[in-house]
Order: sequence, then structure tokens, then C-alpha cells
Amino acid sequence: ETGVTQSPTHLIKTRGQQVTLRCSSQSGHNTVSWYQQALGQGPQFIFQYYREEENGRGNFPPRFSGLQFPNYSSELNVNALELDDSALYLCASTSASTDTQYFGPGTRLTVL
Amino acid sequence: AQSVTQLDSQVPVFEEAPVELRCNYSSSVSVYLFWYVQYPNQGLQLLLKYLSGSTLVKGINGFEAEFNKSQTSFHLRKPSVHISDTAEYFCAVSSGNKLVFGAGTILRVKS
Repeated sequence: ETGVTQSPTHLIKTRGQQVTLRCSSQSGHNTVSWYQQALGQGPQFIFQYYREEENGRGNFPPRFSGLQFPNYSSELNVNALELDDSALYLCASTSASTDTQYFGPGTRLTVL
Repeated sequence: AQSVTQLDSQVPVFEEAPVELRCNYSSSVSVYLFWYVQYPNQGLQLLLKYLSGSTLVKGINGFEAEFNKSQTSFHLRKPSVHISDTAEYFCAVSSGNKLVFGAGTILRVKS
């Protein structure tokens, strides 16, 4: 158990829709990162939030956006869904004392 | 940009045999290195990490890895595998504030 939870576990959407995925980090971990893991691939970094501000972004378009809240929860929003957005979305919170990212169980998004 | 290469996409091995999963990284600066395991339909679980100090790192479930700076490698080993070790294993290197992952190695343990 990493103490990182994500909801929902599974989600099915259609092309063009919008989706919000949620993550609850470990208490005291004020950095959260989001990753996209397509089938058969390693996770790819989407972005990171530190103290409610974006703190780095990977090679993802602006329709991927996020929020971080003071209670250690965060959101990943994806607008105008495309078929290629189908993937497992992973949230990770960082322990500042150990510089280590701890992952949640992920949300499996299917876009039809 | 940093990158990670996992040289084997799949490694079949018999139960109780030793195993090595290979990982090479590209970096010209000091790195932090990680191995994560992913069981089917689950997230990533940290197996072990190298931040500094001893180059031989011991992790959970009997796994260990050796950091080799001259060969830019961080291979994962276990002297005797169990059926329950069947999973996908990811090597990752820290790059600023993010992790860069390899493509993964599926370890299949056969009885």
C-alpha cells in the first residue's frame, strides 16, 4: 500500500468528450505527478504539480490539464478525447525526504 | 534527454532459477535509478532505488540491483524466482522532476 488512491478505476468515454480523473496523495507529499501508460509501453510523464502550481510538463498537448488542491488531492482533465488517449493513467506522489515517487493503482480510460 | 533501455521485452525462467533483467540508461550527470514492478491490472510498486552510496542495492521480495556507472547499467537480479514474481518490471531514471521509464520487461516464471 502506497497511500495513493485514484478514482475511478475504470472509465469509458467517446471521442470528443471530456474526462476528469482524481488522485489522493499521501499526507505530507506536496508534489504529485501524472503519467500515461499506453498498452505495452512504459509510463510517459504528463505533468507535475508542486504546492498547487504546475512544475514541469511532458510532451502532451494543452487539452491535458491539471489541478492540485491543498488537501493533497489532484485532478487530471482531458478535453476533446481522442482514441489514442485510451490508456492507464497513473498518479504518483513524491516523498521529499526520500525523493521517491509512490504510485496509485491507476485509472483505465477507454475512448471509443 | 535521458533515456532508458530495457534490453529484453520478455524473460521466461523456471521457478527457483536465478534471473537478471537488464537496464541501461543514458545520462552524463548523477542519476537516481529505480526499479518498479507492475502486476496485471495494477499500478507500479517500488522494488528498489539507487540514490547514492553503495552500488549494490537490496529491495523487497529478494530482489537486488547493481549500479554500474562506467557501463551506465542498473541490472535487476534475483537468485531464485517464484511463480508470484511473474509481472512486468520497469527501470526508471530521474530526469529533473520526472521519471523516465524503459519499455518494461515481462518476467514469466514457469513451474
